[in-house]
Amino acid sequence: NAGVTQTPKFQVLKTGQSMTLQCAQDMNHNSMYWYRQDPGMGLRLIYYSASEGTTDKGEVPNGYNVSRLNKREFSLRLESAAPSQTSVYFCASSAGTGRETQYFGPGTRLLVL
Amino acid sequence: SQQGEEDPQALSIQEGENATMNCSYKTSINNLQWYRQNSGRGLVHLILIRSNEREKHSGRLRVTLDTSKKSSSLLITASRAADTASYFCATDGVGGYQKVTFGTGTKLQVIP
Repeated sequence: NAGVTQTPKFQVLKTGQSMTLQCAQDMNHNSMYWYRQDPGMGLRLIYYSASEGTTDKGEVPNGYNVSRLNKREFSLRLESAAPSQTSVYFCASSAGTGRETQYFGPGTRLLVL
Repeated sequence: SQQGEEDPQALSIQEGENATMNCSYKTSINNLQWYRQNSGRGLVHLILIRSNEREKHSGRLRVTLDTSKKSSSLLITASRAADTASYFCATDGVGGYQKVTFGTGTKLQVIP
Protein backbone atom coordinates (compact mmCIF):
# COMPACT_ATOMS: atom_id res chain seq x y z
CA ASN A 1 0.00 0.00 0.00
CA ALA A 2 1.90 3.06 -1.24
CA GLY A 3 -0.68 5.63 -0.05
CA VAL A 4 -0.27 8.89 -1.99
CA THR A 5 2.59 9.13 -4.46
CA GLN A 6 3.85 12.19 -6.31
CA THR A 7 6.20 12.64 -9.23
CA PRO A 8 8.62 14.21 -9.73
CA LYS A 9 10.30 14.84 -6.36
CA PHE A 10 12.28 17.83 -7.63
CA GLN A 11 12.01 20.01 -10.70
CA VAL A 12 13.74 23.12 -11.98
CA LEU A 13 11.96 25.13 -14.66
CA LYS A 14 12.71 28.27 -16.56
CA THR A 15 10.12 31.04 -16.64
CA GLY A 16 7.51 30.27 -19.28
CA GLN A 17 8.06 26.52 -19.38
CA SER A 18 5.22 24.14 -18.68
CA MET A 19 5.03 20.99 -16.62
CA THR A 20 2.61 18.56 -15.05
CA LEU A 21 2.84 17.28 -11.50
CA GLN A 22 1.44 13.80 -11.09
CA CYS A 23 -0.37 12.40 -8.07
CA ALA A 24 -1.87 8.98 -7.48
CA GLN A 25 -3.53 7.30 -4.50
CA ASP A 26 -4.27 3.64 -3.94
CA MET A 27 -6.72 3.99 -1.05
CA ASN A 28 -9.87 4.23 -3.20
CA HIS A 29 -10.46 7.75 -1.89
CA ASN A 30 -13.10 9.97 -3.43
CA SER A 31 -11.52 13.36 -2.79
CA MET A 32 -8.11 14.66 -3.85
CA TYR A 33 -6.36 17.98 -3.27
CA TRP A 34 -3.41 20.04 -4.43
CA TYR A 35 -1.73 22.41 -1.99
CA ARG A 36 1.30 24.63 -2.13
CA GLN A 37 3.48 25.38 0.87
CA ASP A 38 5.56 28.51 1.11
CA PRO A 39 7.68 29.65 4.07
CA GLY A 40 5.55 31.33 6.71
CA MET A 41 2.32 30.77 4.74
CA GLY A 42 1.24 27.32 5.80
CA LEU A 43 -0.54 25.21 3.18
CA ARG A 44 -2.82 26.87 0.67
CA LEU A 45 -5.33 24.94 -1.40
CA ILE A 46 -4.90 25.29 -5.16
CA TYR A 47 -7.58 22.94 -6.52
CA TYR A 48 -9.55 20.00 -5.26
CA SER A 49 -11.67 17.21 -6.67
CA ALA A 50 -14.56 15.93 -4.59
CA SER A 51 -15.13 12.97 -6.89
CA GLU A 52 -14.03 11.55 -10.19
CA GLY A 53 -14.97 13.94 -12.96
CA THR A 54 -15.29 17.05 -10.80
CA THR A 55 -12.77 19.75 -9.93
CA ASP A 56 -13.08 23.03 -8.08
CA LYS A 57 -10.90 26.02 -7.37
CA GLY A 58 -9.29 26.53 -4.01
CA GLU A 59 -7.70 29.60 -2.50
CA VAL A 60 -4.90 30.16 -5.05
CA PRO A 61 -5.89 28.64 -8.45
CA ASN A 62 -4.45 31.28 -10.78
CA GLY A 63 -1.74 29.92 -13.08
CA TYR A 64 -2.73 26.28 -12.55
CA ASN A 65 -4.99 23.70 -14.15
CA VAL A 66 -5.95 20.26 -12.93
CA SER A 67 -7.26 16.99 -14.30
CA ARG A 68 -8.93 14.21 -12.36
CA LEU A 69 -7.96 11.50 -14.80
CA ASN A 70 -9.71 8.73 -12.90
CA LYS A 71 -10.43 7.93 -9.27
CA ARG A 72 -6.74 7.27 -8.56
CA GLU A 73 -5.01 10.13 -10.34
CA PHE A 74 -5.12 13.91 -10.00
CA SER A 75 -2.62 16.00 -11.95
CA LEU A 76 -1.62 19.65 -11.62
CA ARG A 77 -0.41 21.56 -14.66
CA LEU A 78 1.57 24.78 -14.84
CA GLU A 79 1.06 26.11 -18.36
CA SER A 80 3.59 28.95 -18.18
CA ALA A 81 5.67 28.80 -15.03
CA ALA A 82 6.52 31.98 -13.13
CA PRO A 83 9.07 32.52 -10.32
CA SER A 84 6.13 33.12 -7.95
CA GLN A 85 5.22 29.46 -8.43
CA THR A 86 8.45 28.35 -6.78
CA SER A 87 7.12 26.30 -3.90
CA VAL A 88 6.64 22.85 -2.46
CA TYR A 89 3.53 21.17 -3.83
CA PHE A 90 1.61 18.54 -1.91
CA CYS A 91 -1.11 16.24 -3.10
CA ALA A 92 -3.55 14.78 -0.58
CA SER A 93 -6.59 12.54 -0.59
CA SER A 94 -9.47 11.76 1.74
CA ALA A 95 -12.13 9.08 1.76
CA GLY A 96 -14.96 11.53 2.18
CA THR A 97 -15.01 15.28 2.40
CA GLY A 98 -12.06 17.54 3.12
CA ARG A 99 -13.28 17.81 6.69
CA GLU A 100 -12.09 14.31 7.36
CA THR A 101 -8.57 12.93 7.60
CA GLN A 102 -6.37 13.80 4.65
CA TYR A 103 -3.43 11.66 3.58
CA PHE A 104 -0.51 13.52 2.06
CA GLY A 105 2.10 12.65 -0.52
CA PRO A 106 5.80 13.39 0.01
CA GLY A 107 5.74 16.61 -2.01
CA THR A 108 7.30 18.04 -5.15
CA ARG A 109 9.90 20.78 -4.79
CA LEU A 110 9.66 23.19 -7.73
CA LEU A 111 12.09 25.97 -8.52
CA VAL A 112 11.22 28.39 -11.31
CA LEU A 113 14.13 30.51 -12.49
CA SER B 1 -6.84 33.81 4.24
CA GLN B 2 -5.92 31.78 7.29
CA GLN B 3 -8.72 30.34 9.39
CA GLY B 4 -6.43 28.83 12.01
CA GLU B 5 -3.45 30.52 13.59
CA GLU B 6 -1.01 28.56 15.74
CA ASP B 7 0.81 29.93 18.73
CA PRO B 8 3.70 29.98 19.43
CA GLN B 9 5.40 30.05 16.05
CA ALA B 10 8.37 28.20 17.50
CA LEU B 11 8.95 26.21 20.68
CA SER B 12 12.12 24.63 22.03
CA ILE B 13 11.99 22.22 24.98
CA GLN B 14 14.09 19.51 26.63
CA GLU B 15 13.33 15.87 26.08
CA GLY B 16 10.86 14.63 28.68
CA GLU B 17 9.09 17.98 29.05
CA ASN B 18 5.56 18.63 27.87
CA ALA B 19 4.87 20.76 24.80
CA THR B 20 1.73 22.80 24.37
CA MET B 21 0.71 24.58 21.21
CA ASN B 22 -2.45 26.50 20.51
CA CYS B 23 -4.69 27.16 17.55
CA SER B 24 -7.20 29.97 17.27
CA TYR B 25 -9.75 30.26 14.50
CA LYS B 26 -12.26 32.81 13.33
CA THR B 27 -15.50 31.16 12.22
CA SER B 28 -17.60 28.30 13.53
CA ILE B 29 -16.30 24.85 12.73
CA ASN B 30 -17.48 21.27 12.50
CA ASN B 31 -14.08 19.61 12.86
CA LEU B 32 -10.60 20.64 13.85
CA GLN B 33 -7.59 18.52 12.98
CA TRP B 34 -3.95 18.50 13.98
CA TYR B 35 -1.19 17.40 11.60
CA ARG B 36 2.55 16.90 12.00
CA GLN B 37 5.17 17.61 9.36
CA ASN B 38 8.71 16.36 9.70
CA SER B 39 11.29 18.41 7.84
CA GLY B 40 11.04 17.88 4.11
CA ARG B 41 8.11 15.48 4.36
CA GLY B 42 4.38 15.48 3.78
CA LEU B 43 1.89 16.10 6.57
CA VAL B 44 0.72 13.27 8.79
CA HIS B 45 -2.68 13.32 10.46
CA LEU B 46 -2.54 13.18 14.26
CA ILE B 47 -6.03 13.68 15.61
CA LEU B 48 -9.47 15.02 14.69
CA ILE B 49 -11.81 16.60 17.21
CA ARG B 50 -15.41 17.41 16.42
CA SER B 51 -17.19 20.55 17.55
CA ASN B 52 -19.29 18.62 20.08
CA GLU B 53 -16.18 17.17 21.75
CA ARG B 54 -14.15 19.00 24.37
CA GLU B 55 -11.15 16.73 24.77
CA LYS B 56 -9.57 13.85 22.94
CA HIS B 57 -6.55 11.66 23.63
CA SER B 58 -4.31 9.59 21.41
CA GLY B 59 -1.25 8.08 23.06
CA ARG B 60 0.88 10.98 24.34
CA LEU B 61 -1.32 13.52 22.58
CA ARG B 62 -4.13 15.43 24.23
CA VAL B 63 -6.27 17.85 22.26
CA THR B 64 -8.80 20.22 23.74
CA LEU B 65 -11.37 22.32 21.96
CA ASP B 66 -13.13 25.39 23.31
CA THR B 67 -15.71 26.49 20.75
CA SER B 68 -16.76 29.48 22.85
CA LYS B 69 -13.22 30.86 22.61
CA LYS B 70 -12.67 29.47 19.10
CA SER B 71 -9.45 27.81 20.18
CA SER B 72 -7.80 24.43 20.48
CA SER B 73 -4.65 23.20 22.15
CA LEU B 74 -2.39 20.26 21.43
CA LEU B 75 -0.41 18.86 24.35
CA ILE B 76 2.42 16.40 23.77
CA THR B 77 3.45 14.78 27.03
CA ALA B 78 6.90 13.38 27.83
CA SER B 79 8.33 14.70 24.58
CA ARG B 80 10.98 12.84 22.61
CA ALA B 81 13.56 14.01 20.10
CA ALA B 82 11.47 12.29 17.42
CA ASP B 83 8.64 14.75 18.16
CA THR B 84 10.73 17.51 16.57
CA ALA B 85 8.53 18.69 13.71
CA SER B 86 6.10 21.40 12.67
CA TYR B 87 2.52 21.06 13.88
CA PHE B 88 -0.46 22.47 12.02
CA CYS B 89 -4.11 22.82 12.86
CA ALA B 90 -6.68 22.56 10.10
CA THR B 91 -10.22 23.82 10.37
CA ASP B 92 -13.29 23.63 8.21
CA GLY B 93 -16.14 26.12 8.24
CA VAL B 94 -14.80 28.41 5.56
CA GLY B 95 -15.58 27.76 1.90
CA GLY B 96 -17.82 24.76 2.27
CA TYR B 97 -17.64 21.25 3.60
CA GLN B 98 -15.09 20.02 1.11
CA LYS B 99 -12.19 22.09 2.29
CA VAL B 100 -10.11 22.80 5.33
CA THR B 101 -7.78 25.69 5.97
CA PHE B 102 -4.37 25.14 7.50
CA GLY B 103 -2.63 27.47 9.90
CA THR B 104 0.98 28.56 9.57
CA GLY B 105 2.22 26.02 12.09
CA THR B 106 4.24 25.72 15.29
CA LYS B 107 7.82 24.56 14.86
CA LEU B 108 8.74 22.31 17.81
CA GLN B 109 12.30 21.42 18.65
CA VAL B 110 12.89 18.77 21.31
CA ILE B 111 16.46 18.82 22.56
CA PRO B 112 17.86 15.42 23.63
